[in-house]
Amino acid sequence: EAQVTQNPRYLITVTGKKLTVTCSQNMNHEYMSWYRQDPGLGLRQIYYSMNVEVTDKGDVPEGYKVSRKEKRNFPLILESPSPNQTSLYFCASRAQGMDYGYTFGSGTRLTVV
Amino acid sequence: DQQVKQNSPSLSVQEGRISILNCDYTNSMFDYFLWYKKYPAEGPTFLISISSIKDKNEDGRFTVFLNKSAKHLSLHIVPSQPGDSAVYFCAARRSQGNLIFGKGTKLSVKP
Repeated sequence: EAQVTQNPRYLITVTGKKLTVTCSQNMNHEYMSWYRQDPGLGLRQIYYSMNVEVTDKGDVPEGYKVSRKEKRNFPLILESPSPNQTSLYFCASRAQGMDYGYTFGSGTRLTVV
Repeated sequence: DQQVKQNSPSLSVQEGRISILNCDYTNSMFDYFLWYKKYPAEGPTFLISISSIKDKNEDGRFTVFLNKSAKHLSLHIVPSQPGDSAVYFCAARRSQGNLIFGKGTKLSVKP
């Protein structure tokens, strides 16, 4: 089944403790992206990647890092999480030239206390 | 500055009637527009899209209209069904294929 898989689905952590949210897609897509969803703010892009070793900042990159060492994986790294990073995170992927946009994962709900 | 705006946070419609969800944008360089549907506890799923060179695209009960001069698009759902109750996000594609999303409109279809 073609899908984008995120792990974990839920995570509660403490301020300052480094964490990684994994994202993997099995569709051989070139583009991958991370979004966060917050009440009243919709979906905002954190980082995106156009292919292996090619990443760039989205609209809200502060406090996040990403890497794209393999085509299928695009982990999101929070080196020192803070409470304002409490949010619902979505990973997404799409093929180059695909006009119907991204396929999204099921989301990771992160709480930083 | 918000480039994609959905000014109605919520919309309530009776089953069988038409649902109209609106979206405005400010960047004339957007070349593709998409609608996504999101249920609670799930990721957004693609619904329908339209290229900037068209003014209408239809897929079953869903039709998207684009008015480039007004920088406005709308999603029509006819007839509306209770299973259509969800949050609908409008999105516009910019360079490098990235999407900018609106804040979403929560549609409630009442039986």
